[in-house]
Amino acid sequence: KAGVTQTPRYLIKTRGQQVTLSCSPISGHRSVSWYQQTPGQGLQFLFEYFSETQRNKGNFPGRFSGRQFSNSRSEMNVSTLELGDSALYLCASSLVLGDSYEQYFGPGTRLTVT
Amino acid sequence: SQQGEEDPQALSIQEGENATMNCSYKTSINNLQWYRQNSGRGLVHLILIRSNEREKHSGRLRVTLDTSKKSSSLLITASRAADTASYFCATRDTGNQFYFGTGTSLTVIP
Repeated sequence: KAGVTQTPRYLIKTRGQQVTLSCSPISGHRSVSWYQQTPGQGLQFLFEYFSETQRNKGNFPGRFSGRQFSNSRSEMNVSTLELGDSALYLCASSLVLGDSYEQYFGPGTRLTVT
Repeated sequence: SQQGEEDPQALSIQEGENATMNCSYKTSINNLQWYRQNSGRGLVHLILIRSNEREKHSGRLRVTLDTSKKSSSLLITASRAADTASYFCATRDTGNQFYFGTGTSLTVIP
């Protein structure tokens, strides 16, 4: 089975721009979560999607948004980029919603905002 | 912060030694998971322990959970250079927020 894939792997953007990151979960997985990882804040939960609906959301501003498609693929968008948005963005998929199931992580998208 | 705290922040041991890292969390949980991350890459799930379990083994890994103290420990026995990585505990609170600990950076010296 192919693992979780994330595109692009690396991205450089300028302050004020917007960016869209993509995540393809493992085949058959219906839950997709997004995380932001920075040296200062560590791993922080952004949001979780299941069956095209956002089920949970972390404490991030509205500039961070996401969606899930009928094939479970997910995208996250960050508008009006700030320098502090530079981070590794990780996507994880799991079979179903809930914490009884392990999450499988993708390699991440490293976003640099200049 | 609702994040778990991990201790120590960094650990350096010789190959063959055991490595123990601890995690404390703040909320009631259904289970606790441990993950490994190699050098800024994606995380790999290691083991899940449910709240009604006190100890669980998987290969060279041993995890304990003390819900009364809201703490967990991960023991890696007979460490190898390939175990060099950062290790995170993860929990989900009753509000369904998923939290990762601050992580322990383990270096195994060959």
